[in-house]
Amino acid sequence: GAVVSQHPSRVICKSGTSVKIECRSLDFQATTMFWYRQFPKQSLMLMATSNEGSKATYEQGVEKDKFLINHASLTLSTLTVTSAHPEDSSFYICSAPVRDRYTGELFFGEGSRLTVL
Amino acid sequence: AQSVTQPDIHITVSEGASLELRCYYSYGATPYLFWYVQSPGQGLQLLLKYFSGDTLVQGIKGFEAEFKRSQSSFNLRKPSVHWSDAAEYFCAVGARTGRRALTFGSGTRLQVQP
Repeated sequence: GAVVSQHPSRVICKSGTSVKIECRSLDFQATTMFWYRQFPKQSLMLMATSNEGSKATYEQGVEKDKFLINHASLTLSTLTVTSAHPEDSSFYICSAPVRDRYTGELFFGEGSRLTVL
Repeated sequence: AQSVTQPDIHITVSEGASLELRCYYSYGATPYLFWYVQSPGQGLQLLLKYFSGDTLVQGIKGFEAEFKRSQSSFNLRKPSVHWSDAAEYFCAVGARTGRRALTFGSGTRLQVQP
């Protein structure tokens, strides 16, 4: 199956700093990637859709200036949490469908756990 | 808008007992249906998926799920649970056209007693 890799898997930062999380499709191209957020003991909530070559689409209630998304190539999307605060601490997971071969299935990264002190 | 309901937040079963996790969806048409499993601190692993055809779907680790259109359900089952099955289970739906992001249920935490 297709492989999606996230980096870093864990990151701890101080309040007010910015953190970048990378999501790469290793063996396929993805014009679209999805970023989810999961709070402890809760479900995955879609934050935004990352589109290669164009602006990301954000879900209602998600601050686009805080969560900057860039889809620089067909294999890389990045999520930058700007001026992070403790309430941004969460598990962030990216996913992608295989380009031009939509079967409904998404391939998920391993997730990135962000802790803001 | 599509939605997914997993009515059981937490289920405890004895090792070797059978298991059924419930999932109900709300959607205008038949969506794609998925079950994922997540161990603590880990990412998601796909257990099985339903796209079309046979409504009884076989997955990995001995799991199966049955799509029932009349009940808008996609319940997950396993005849004999192993201690290693203890995890969080998520049901998810995806549109057949247009928006491709999956919508997840709230999850069911499975605990297995020895």
